[in-house]
Amino acid sequence: ESVLTQSPGTLSLSPGERATLSCRASQSISSSYLGWYQQKPGQAPRVLIYGASNRATGIPDRFSGSGSGTDFTLTISGLEPEDFAVYYCQQYVGSPPRYTFGQGTRLEIK
Amino acid sequence: EVQLVESGGGLVQPGGSLRLSCAVSGFTVSSNYMSWVRQAPGKGLEWVSVLHSGDYAYYADSVKGRFTISRHNSENTLYLEMNNLRAEDTAVYYCARGRTDYGDYPDWGQGTLVTVSS
Repeated sequence: ESVLTQSPGTLSLSPGERATLSCRASQSISSSYLGWYQQKPGQAPRVLIYGASNRATGIPDRFSGSGSGTDFTLTISGLEPEDFAVYYCQQYVGSPPRYTFGQGTRLEIK
Repeated sequence: EVQLVESGGGLVQPGGSLRLSCAVSGFTVSSNYMSWVRQAPGKGLEWVSVLHSGDYAYYADSVKGRFTISRHNSENTLYLEMNNLRAEDTAVYYCARGRTDYGDYPDWGQGTLVTVSS
């Protein structure tokens, strides 16, 4: 079973700075099946990126995703106050279908 | 407008049962991949189960044999029947619509809290 490991666990940055979040899979996965989510306290997760690099509807262009194989990155260029939250990566593998989330990266205000 | 509204959570004793519902509007449950995802207090997200449009159901190993996912087409509602509940099943349970070609979840409900405790 493929496991997703996110790093760092916590990232402390200031508004305006650039955030780089990493997600590493224990087995190579298709880029089509890697997504990123943002979750704020008391809210459901919100998809930011699907297919490793496609921004979801309504997501600002300061959010971007990249990567392939086992290494994927979420970049937030120019942090806004509302971006401080927990971020999860998620993969889908088939036969049988399995959906796996990383353990999350907490992005906090420095 | 797409809406997913979960209900049915609450306090249940270990070994007990509970049925969660997810009432959907804005799309047809039977034509989409529908999942349940849970989040234990202060923890990360864990996929629980998926029901494919072809009626195929799949489960995480942690709930296999105890949980059953189903849908009622005319009511456009997704269900999760949970039996033999354990303390470690305590979590907020979200229903979510899956994007078929990419395996991600663009639409989520607000969640319903299940607490398993004596």
